[in-house]
Amino acid sequence: DAGVTQSPTHLIKTRGQQVTLRCSPKSGHDTVSWYQQALGQGPQFIFQYYEEEERQRGNFPDRFSGHQFPNYSSELNVNALLLGDSALYLCASSLVGGGADTGELFFGEGSRLTVL
Amino acid sequence: AQKITQTQPGMFVQEKEAVTLDCTYDTSDPSYGLFWYKQPSSGEMIFLIYQGSYDQQNATEGRYSLNFQKARKSANLVISASQLGDSAMYFCAMRAHNSGNTPLVFGKGTRLSVIA
Repeated sequence: DAGVTQSPTHLIKTRGQQVTLRCSPKSGHDTVSWYQQALGQGPQFIFQYYEEEERQRGNFPDRFSGHQFPNYSSELNVNALLLGDSALYLCASSLVGGGADTGELFFGEGSRLTVL
Repeated sequence: AQKITQTQPGMFVQEKEAVTLDCTYDTSDPSYGLFWYKQPSSGEMIFLIYQGSYDQQNATEGRYSLNFQKARKSANLVISASQLGDSAMYFCAMRAHNSGNTPLVFGKGTRLSVIA
């Protein structure tokens, strides 16, 4: 049973460029959430996708956008990259309507983005 | 708004000893869930233990136990019989409303180093 997979694992971009990160959820999960983890910080919620729509969003600018495909996989896009966008981007999958008990939120290993 | 505070940037523990990692939280929601995650150098967030705000007993999962003191708004993680493989970052997190799809709010983490 494959867990959450993310690609690429590492990438380097320059300021002003655009980046796309990809996530495949755990088998059987239909909801994908994205988190940004800056160095030395805990993860911060970016947004969540379910049924190919953005359902919830954290305090991130419109430069951050996403997409969910019919197979539940998801992309995170960041435009006009800033130095401050350098971080580990984590994808987490879950099953909508899942119970309050945890275990239904699974994280991938993340994509480490460096902006020069 | 929810807030998680982890006041220990780093902790050291001797192998086979027990260690307590501190976590305090703040929320006005009567229903919430508290979580601990382990993050090794690979980046993946690994779920360790969960405590619901209405749970009467402290949660335990193998060598992990959660010391839940609701009046103090604390949810400390206790790791018994520490192993070298326990060396990692540890994050306390919470979600309000305790719905499976509510985003998690994380603390800044504690780096645990286990010494042989």
